[in-house]
Amino acid sequence: DAGVTQSPTHLIKTRGQQVTLRCSPKSGHDTVSWYQQALGQGPQFIFQYYEEEERQRGNFPDRFSGHQFPNYSSELNVNALLLGDSALYLCASTQAGVLTEAFFGQGTRLTVV
Amino acid sequence: AQSVTQLDSQVPVFEEAPVELRCNYSSSVSVYLFWYVQYPNQGLQLLLKYLSGSTLVKGINGFEAEFNKSQTSFHLRKPSVHISDTAEYFCAVSITDYKLSFGAGTTVTVRA
Repeated sequence: DAGVTQSPTHLIKTRGQQVTLRCSPKSGHDTVSWYQQALGQGPQFIFQYYEEEERQRGNFPDRFSGHQFPNYSSELNVNALLLGDSALYLCASTQAGVLTEAFFGQGTRLTVV
Repeated sequence: AQSVTQLDSQVPVFEEAPVELRCNYSSSVSVYLFWYVQYPNQGLQLLLKYLSGSTLVKGINGFEAEFNKSQTSFHLRKPSVHISDTAEYFCAVSITDYKLSFGAGTTVTVRA
């Protein structure tokens, strides 16, 4: 059983560019959440997708947007990249309404230069 | 809103010695509590969780944590650490469907 998979693992972008990160949830999970982990800090919640809609959102600007597909996979898009967007982006999946833990992917390391 | 404070940013410890990582939280409602571990260049792995019931929670790799509602704490302990326990540890709290709020993390370095 594959866990949560994220792609790509590493990415280098230039300021002002746009980036798309991808996540496939654990089998049987239908809810995907995205987190940003800056160097030396704990993960910060960006948003959560369930039934192809954004259900919750953290304190992130509109430059951060997402999408969930019918197969429950998800994308995180960041526009107009800033140097401060450099971070590890983590995807977590859960099964809505079930009291289990969130399973995390290995993350995508984004570097903005 | 809920928040988490991890009281120690770095904890050096010798192999086979005990370790305790401290976590306090604040919330106006009941919470679920978690400890996650992050090895270098990896994602997060759940060590243990408190949802309800017994306040002493046992997790993987010999870790345990105790939920103390009066002190709003959820400290993590291990009686004897190994070199392989060197990692970053995160305490997290949730009051909803797994929107997790994390602490800043505690770096544990185990020395021989």
